[in-house]
Formats: sequence, C-alpha cells, structure tokens
Amino acid sequence: EDQVTQSPEALRLQEGESSSLNCSYTVSGLRGLFWYRQDPGKGPEFLFTLYSAGEEKEKERLKATLTKKESFLHITAPKPEDSATYLCAVLEGGSWGKLQFGAGTQVVVTP
Amino acid sequence: DTGVSQDPRHKITKRGQNVTFRCDPISEHNRLYWYRQTLGQGPEFLTYFQNEAQLEKSRLLSDRFSAERPKGSFSTLEIQRTEQGDSAMYLCASSPITVLNSPLHFGNGTRLTVT
Repeated sequence: EDQVTQSPEALRLQEGESSSLNCSYTVSGLRGLFWYRQDPGKGPEFLFTLYSAGEEKEKERLKATLTKKESFLHITAPKPEDSATYLCAVLEGGSWGKLQFGAGTQVVVTP
Repeated sequence: DTGVSQDPRHKITKRGQNVTFRCDPISEHNRLYWYRQTLGQGPEFLTYFQNEAQLEKSRLLSDRFSAERPKGSFSTLEIQRTEQGDSAMYLCASSPITVLNSPLHFGNGTRLTVT
C-alpha cells in the first residue's frame, strides 16, 4: 500500500537557523507530490506541487525538491512566522482526487 | 474569492446521534473534497465530487457516512449513529480542475466531538 512518511515529527529552530524536512514515499507511478502548510485551528494552505524527480520550486524562504523516493522542504533563515505544521501529500496512482497525506512535521521557530 | 466556508465550526454530540456538516466551496470550483483529520495526523481522504457526481469514496469509509452535492454547489456530510471514534476535524476543500493541476483550497474545518 502507498505510504507517505515525514520526518522529523517536530523541529525547533532558532530564528535564522536553516533546516530541512523530509518526506519519503512509496507509491507506484507518482503523478504529483504536494507540500502544504497548516496553522493551528486552520485548514492546510497550498505551497508547492512537484511532478518529477529533479524538480525544484521556491517561495520566499522555502524550497522544495524531489527525488525518486523522497522530497525535501528546505527552510532558509526561518522567521517566527514560519512556525506551522508542514504536510506532504502524494496523488495515488489511479486516482484523480485522492491525496494521501503524511502526518506532518511541526516546526517552531523561536526569536 | 471568499474562500471555502464550513458550518458549523464546532459540534458536540452524544454517541448515537446523527450530525450533518455543510461546505460551501469557492464559487467557480467544480471539484469538492472531504477529508478527516485527527490530532497529530495528516488529513485522511473521505470522498470527492465533480459537480454533483461523487467520483470516489474511501474504502475505509463506514456506511454510516454519506455525502451529497445535489446541485453541484454546496455539499453536506452526514454521519449517522455517531461513535467516539468519529471525533475529528472534518475538512472540506475545493479546486477548479483536477488536483494534479490546481491546488486544493481548504476550509477551516468542522471540529466534531462525540461524547
């Protein structure tokens, strides 16, 4: 069965301290890998879609990369407002609407 | 763009009661999705619609759950004979086309507590 595993479960960073989050997946025929950000009490907010190995996307202090087995979300010089849970999801083969999410990485950035 | 709206925000019910949640998607979005999220976990897919047609439903979804989107606009999710294990955040999302080519826009969810 397809699986999405995120690590670490939680990450505490000092402001300005760069780090990376990992999302490993086992899926036959990956069609898309997605990163979302979720703040407490709110729904997830879309960040990136990656379609094929080698692809990279950037937005402000965030950069997402994709290999054949995993994706990384790099946070460069984070600020306290980057504190959130970051969720990774894959689109299952054979489905056009079912995203399978990982459990997320909770990031706390302290001043 | 007024965003995806969900009602109510919170619902407390006793075990065995039926509950119904409503989702109003972004107006021009013809795809609508329901997910469930428990504490410390990512969202779990329940079902999705294209216009009024329910195209996919999770195999894990009990027969106590039913979703409708009668006119291709708003949707309702009903849970019959609620159980304590149904306690979760129920998230609705919408997109204009397939999720592969357009991001899901999530609402802020309905938090269900079954006592």
